[in-house]
Amino acid sequence: EAQVTQNPRYLITVTGKKLTVTCSQNMNHEYMSWYRQDPGLGLRQIYYSMNVEVTDKGDVPEGYKVSRKEKRNFPLILESPSPNQTSLYFCASGSLSGLRVDGYTFGSGTRLTVV
Amino acid sequence: DAKTTQPNSMESNEEEPVHLPCNHSTISGTDYIHWYRQLPSQGPEYVIHGLTSNVNNRMASLAIAEDRKSSTLILHRATLRDAAVYYCILFGGAGSYQLTFGKGTKLSVIP
Repeated sequence: EAQVTQNPRYLITVTGKKLTVTCSQNMNHEYMSWYRQDPGLGLRQIYYSMNVEVTDKGDVPEGYKVSRKEKRNFPLILESPSPNQTSLYFCASGSLSGLRVDGYTFGSGTRLTVV
Repeated sequence: DAKTTQPNSMESNEEEPVHLPCNHSTISGTDYIHWYRQLPSQGPEYVIHGLTSNVNNRMASLAIAEDRKSSTLILHRATLRDAAVYYCILFGGAGSYQLTFGKGTKLSVIP
């Protein structure tokens, strides 16, 4: 089954403790992206990647890092999490050649709480 | 960025058609009109897209105005499972692949 898999689904952590949220897709998509969703602010893009070793900032990149060493994986790294990064996170992927027509496939989300 | 305008919320009775409007008066010639929906506690889900012509798929229909400044997502028979937030997004113009979500329309379906 074609899918985007995020782990973990739920995570509670403490301020300053480094964490990684993993994202993996099995559709050989070139394009991958991370979003966060907050009440009243909607979905906002954090980082995106057009292909392996190619990443770029979205609208709210501060406090986050990403890497794209393999085509299928796009982990989101919070080196020193803070409470304002408490949010619902979504990973998405898409085929560059078909993005205009196929759109993105989203993961099920990771709910992160930083205390 | 080209922007879209949608009503904040709409209601529909179950098994009746629903017409969700979207205005995009600043759309460029290369922008595709995409619709996504987000069910409670789930990630967004692609629904349908179009460029100029009306489109149908198994989930919905998309009616695009001749001047492309507005479009309407049509759910032919609303079910309880269609209760979600629906986002109208302009996408892909000028090689841009950033999917920018607005606030969308929250659709409630009444049994």
